[in-house]
Amino acid sequence: DSGVTQTPKHLITATGQRVTLRCSPRSGDLSVYWYQQSLDQGLQFLIQYYNGEERAKGNILERFSAQQFPDLHSELNLSSLELGDSALYFCASSGPHSTDTQYFGPGTRLTVL
Amino acid sequence: DAKTTQPNSMESNEEEPVHLPCNHSTISGTDYIHWYRQLPSQGPEYVIHGLTSNVNNRMASLAIAEDRKSSTLILHRATLRDAAVYYCILEGPDYGQNFVFGPGTRLSVLP
Repeated sequence: DSGVTQTPKHLITATGQRVTLRCSPRSGDLSVYWYQQSLDQGLQFLIQYYNGEERAKGNILERFSAQQFPDLHSELNLSSLELGDSALYFCASSGPHSTDTQYFGPGTRLTVL
Repeated sequence: DAKTTQPNSMESNEEEPVHLPCNHSTISGTDYIHWYRQLPSQGPEYVIHGLTSNVNNRMASLAIAEDRKSSTLILHRATLRDAAVYYCILEGPDYGQNFVFGPGTRLSVLP
C-alpha cells in the first residue's frame, strides 16, 4: 500500500460525458502528479501540482483539467470524453525535493463506451 | 524528452540474478537515474535511484557506468513476485520530477 488513494477504482461512461477522478496523496506530500496509461501510448505524464499550484504540464489535452485543493487532495476532470480517453489514470505524490520518490496510487480505470 | 533505451523483454529463472540494462547516452551531469517497476494491475513502484555512484537497497542494486551513459539494475535473486515491467527514467532540472516513461523492460521469471 503506497498510501495514495484514488477513487473510483472503475468508471464506465459514454462519449461526450464528463467525469472527475479523485486522488488523496500520502500524508505530508505536497506534490501530486497525474499520469495516463493506455495500451498504445504507455505511461504519459499529464500534470503536476505542488501545494495547490500548477507546477508542470505534460501531454494534457485541453478537455482535461486538474486542481489541488487546500487539503492537498487533487481532482482530474475529463470532459467531452472520447473513446480514446479509455485508459488507466494514475495519481502519484511525493515530497518537495526533486529526488523524492513518487508513490503511485492503484489507479482509476476509465472506460468510455 | 529525456531518452532512455531498454530491451523490450527479458527472462530469468527464479532465484538467479537478473541484470536489466538501460542506455541513456544523452544524460546530463545533473540528471538522476531512477528505476521504477510496475507489477501486473498495479501502479508503478519505486525501486532505486542514483546519480554517479553505485547504490544498494533492500530491493536491488544500481550499477552506473563511469561515463554515466548507461546503468544496470541488478536483482540479486529473482522471485516470481519480481515479474513486472521495469522502467529506467532520467530526472533532472530540465524536466523535474515529471517522469518520461518509455516502454520499459518486461521481466518474466520462470519457476
